[in-house]
Amino acid sequence: DSGVTQTPKHLITATGQRVTLRCSPRSGDLSVYWYQQSLDQGLQFLIQYYNGEERAKGNILERFSAQQFPDLHSELNLSSLELGDSALYFCASSDRDGYTEAFFGQGTRLTVV
Amino acid sequence: AQSVTQLDSHVSVSEGTPVLLRCNYSSSYSPSLFWYVQHPNKGLQLLLKYTSAATLVKGINGFEAEFKKSETSFHLTKPSAHMSDAAEYFCVVSYTGFQKLVFGTGTRLLVSP
Repeated sequence: DSGVTQTPKHLITATGQRVTLRCSPRSGDLSVYWYQQSLDQGLQFLIQYYNGEERAKGNILERFSAQQFPDLHSELNLSSLELGDSALYFCASSDRDGYTEAFFGQGTRLTVV
Repeated sequence: AQSVTQLDSHVSVSEGTPVLLRCNYSSSYSPSLFWYVQHPNKGLQLLLKYTSAATLVKGINGFEAEFKKSETSFHLTKPSAHMSDAAEYFCVVSYTGFQKLVFGTGTRLLVSP
């Protein structure tokens, strides 16, 4: 158990809808990272927050947004969902701001139908 | 740009034989290097990390990796494969000043009895 908790584990929704994925980092970790894993794109970095501030953006679509709250949990919001957004979404956390190992949650499997 | 190349998409070994998973990285900056393992329907677990200390790094479950700067390689090895080692393995690179982990495309390790 990595100590990173993601909810829900599975999500099935229709195209055009909006969903929110939640992540609780390991106790004491200030950084939260979001990754998308799909068969055709592999593991892609989406965005990083450190202590509530956005620190880095990767291949995140404009339809996607995230935030980190004062209690350090993070949410990834996905809107106007398309079939191609179906993927496994991972959250990871670390105790430092970037370029260090991160501890991953079990992921949320999103299926858009 | 930061990048990492995993040279084999699949590796098949017999139980009890050595494992070698190959990884090369781009050498623009001093890297931190990691190997992660992902078992089916599970999150990613850190196996080991290199962060400019000893070039031979020992990880969990008997795995180790050697950082070779002259070859820009960070291959993962294990002397004797176990059935439970069957999983997907990711070589990951991070660079000082960059906020994200860059994942390779993964190597699926198959272990036969």
